[in-house]
Amino acid sequence: AAGVIQSPRHLIKEKRETATLKCYPIPRHDTVYWYQQGPGQDPQFLISFYEKMQSDKGSIPDRFSAQQFSDYHSELNMSSLELGDSALYFCASSQRGGYNSPLHFGNGTRLTVT
Amino acid sequence: GNSVTQMEGPVTLSEEAFLTINCTYTATGYPSLFWYVQYPGEGLQLLLKATKADDKGSNKGFEATYRKETTSFHLEKGSVQVSDSAVYFCALRNNTGTASKLTFGTGTRLQVTL
Repeated sequence: AAGVIQSPRHLIKEKRETATLKCYPIPRHDTVYWYQQGPGQDPQFLISFYEKMQSDKGSIPDRFSAQQFSDYHSELNMSSLELGDSALYFCASSQRGGYNSPLHFGNGTRLTVT
Repeated sequence: GNSVTQMEGPVTLSEEAFLTINCTYTATGYPSLFWYVQYPGEGLQLLLKATKADDKGSNKGFEATYRKETTSFHLEKGSVQVSDSAVYFCALRNNTGTASKLTFGTGTRLQVTL
């Protein structure tokens, strides 16, 4: 079965650089979520999109922005990177169906800021 | 607001031992409850779910029962294997719309030894 695809798997950037993470949801899933997971921590919700509109916003820094495109893929843009942005970034998708449906996660993008 | 509390790890067990990982939650309304598992270097995989009180989710020998009276969703397995070594996250999703996010507990690391 098709899963959530994230790219790249690994990304190394220097401080103050920018990064773009991409997420391709499971076919027919219309909702995308972004999470950030620091080392040894639980995933922290950043932002979500439903039908290409921002749905909810969590602890996403102002330096980050995201959007969902007409084909439902999503991109997380990160600017002025800081050392503390080094983390695993997960994208998840779900199908319209409410809160009973699980979120399906990709394998994540590991971002290292040096 | 919503929150999930898990027992702290790491939990170290011998193979074939009985496993319990405690999880309690705080939420308004009637959330759906999930257990996700994260193997080293991988993404979050749905292990099981329960969407209403007294529901029992089960998968791969793991079970958890949605207990509304005690606001708990403890994960159990009768006989663990070395291959079960991973981090386990309890999570809830509330009925706040079609794009409601997952709220995670802090995760419990399980290590199973021979």
